[in-house]
Amino acid sequence: KAGVTQTPRYLIKTRGQQVTLSCSPISGHRSVSWYQQTPGQGLQFLFEYFSETQRNKGNFPGRFSGRQFSNSRSEMNVSTLELGDSALYLCASSLYPRTSGVNEQFFGPGTRLTVL
Amino acid sequence: EDKVVQSPLSLVVHEGDTVTLNCSYEVTNFRSLLWYKQEKKAPTFLFMLTSSGIEKKSGRLSSILDKKELSSILNITATQTGDSAIYLCAVDSGGGADGLTFGKGTHLIIQP
Repeated sequence: KAGVTQTPRYLIKTRGQQVTLSCSPISGHRSVSWYQQTPGQGLQFLFEYFSETQRNKGNFPGRFSGRQFSNSRSEMNVSTLELGDSALYLCASSLYPRTSGVNEQFFGPGTRLTVL
Repeated sequence: EDKVVQSPLSLVVHEGDTVTLNCSYEVTNFRSLLWYKQEKKAPTFLFMLTSSGIEKKSGRLSSILDKKELSSILNITATQTGDSAIYLCAVDSGGGADGLTFGKGTHLIIQP
């Protein structure tokens, strides 16, 4: 069974630009969560999608947004990039939304975003 | 606000040693605690501990959840160089705005 895939793996942008990252969950998984990982803050939750609906959102500004498609693939978008947005963006998939019960999350390899 | 603290932040041991990594948490609605191993890529799932499953073991790795002390330990026996990684502890508080709350991780280095 293929794992979680994320594209692109590496991205370099300049301040003020916008970026779109993509995540394809494990086949059959319908929940996708996004996390930002930085050396200073560690892993921080961005948002969770299930059945094309945002279920939860972390404490990030409105410049960070996402969506999920009917095939469970998800995209996240960051507009008006800032230097501090440089990070590893990880996507995790699970069978069900976290509110449905205890379930494991499986992570993709991440997209390394560098903002110059 | 949910909080997860891991200790130590870094640890250097020799191959063959046994290590114990610690994780303590403060959450409003505990559902599960998860351990991940992260090398140069995605965190890899190791264990999930819940109120009904407080002890897990897989090969040389084992983990225990202490519900009273709100903490967990991850033990690795007979360490190998391939165990070198960052070990992340995360707590699931059941759908709150925080998602999975992660600790900063323990950077484990195994020297030959």
